[in-house]
Amino acid sequence: QVQLQQWGAGLLKPSETLSLTCAVSGESFRNYYWSWIRQSPGKGLEWIGDIHHSGLANYHASLKSRVTISIDTSNDVFSLRLTSVTAADTALYFCARVRVAAGRACFDNWSQGTLVTVSS
Amino acid sequence: QSVLTQPPSASGTLGQRVTISCSGSRSNIGSNTVNWYQQFPGTAPKLLIYSHNQRPSGVPDRFSGSKSGTSASLAISGLQSEDEADYYCASWDDVLLGPAFGGGTKLTVL
Repeated sequence: QVQLQQWGAGLLKPSETLSLTCAVSGESFRNYYWSWIRQSPGKGLEWIGDIHHSGLANYHASLKSRVTISIDTSNDVFSLRLTSVTAADTALYFCARVRVAAGRACFDNWSQGTLVTVSS
Repeated sequence: QSVLTQPPSASGTLGQRVTISCSGSRSNIGSNTVNWYQQFPGTAPKLLIYSHNQRPSGVPDRFSGSKSGTSASLAISGLQSEDEADYYCASWDDVLLGPAFGGGTKLTVL
C-alpha cells in the first residue's frame, strides 16, 4: 500500500516562497505521475501540477509562472515550489499519486495535507 | 468558478437513493474519463469512482457512477449516515491541459 508523507513550512509572509516535499513509500516510485493539489479554506480542489518519474512536469496555466515541481527518484520524493505567494495561496496542499491508466485526473492515493497560511 | 458544475448541496434520508450531477463540456467530460472523490472535513479526498463507473477496492457497491455526453452522475443507494461528506467530480480537460474539478457537493443525510 503506497503512502505519501509531506512536510514543509506552514506559515509564510507575502512574497515568500512556498516549499513542500512529499515522500513516497510502499510501492515503486517509477511509472507514475505525481501531483500537487490544493484546497482553499471552505472551497473546492485545484490542481497545481504534476510530474512524471522521468522528470517531465506539467503545470496549471494560472500558476505556471510561479510554480516548479521537481523529483528525486533516488530518494522517492517530489517537491513543490511556489514563488511570490500572496494571501490567495493560503490553502491546504496535498500531494497525490496519479492512476495514469484511468487518466491524469484520477488520484488514487493522497497525503494527509499541509495547511499553508500566507499572512503578514 | 469551477470548470465542472455540481450542485452545492444534496440531501436524502437513511436508506434513500441520491444522485449528484456533474456537468462539463466536450473538452473534459465529453472526451475524457470522470472520477469522483469523497471528502470528510479535515481529511484528504478519497477516490470513490474512477473511469466513469469503476470502484477501487474497498468502496461499497452502493456507490456507482455514470456518464452521458458531457455530464456525469454519482449515485448512492441505501444512504447511510456515514455517507455525509463532500463529493467532487474531476475530469481531464483538453483545453486547460490539466485536471478540472467540480466545485463539490455537500451531502446531508437527514
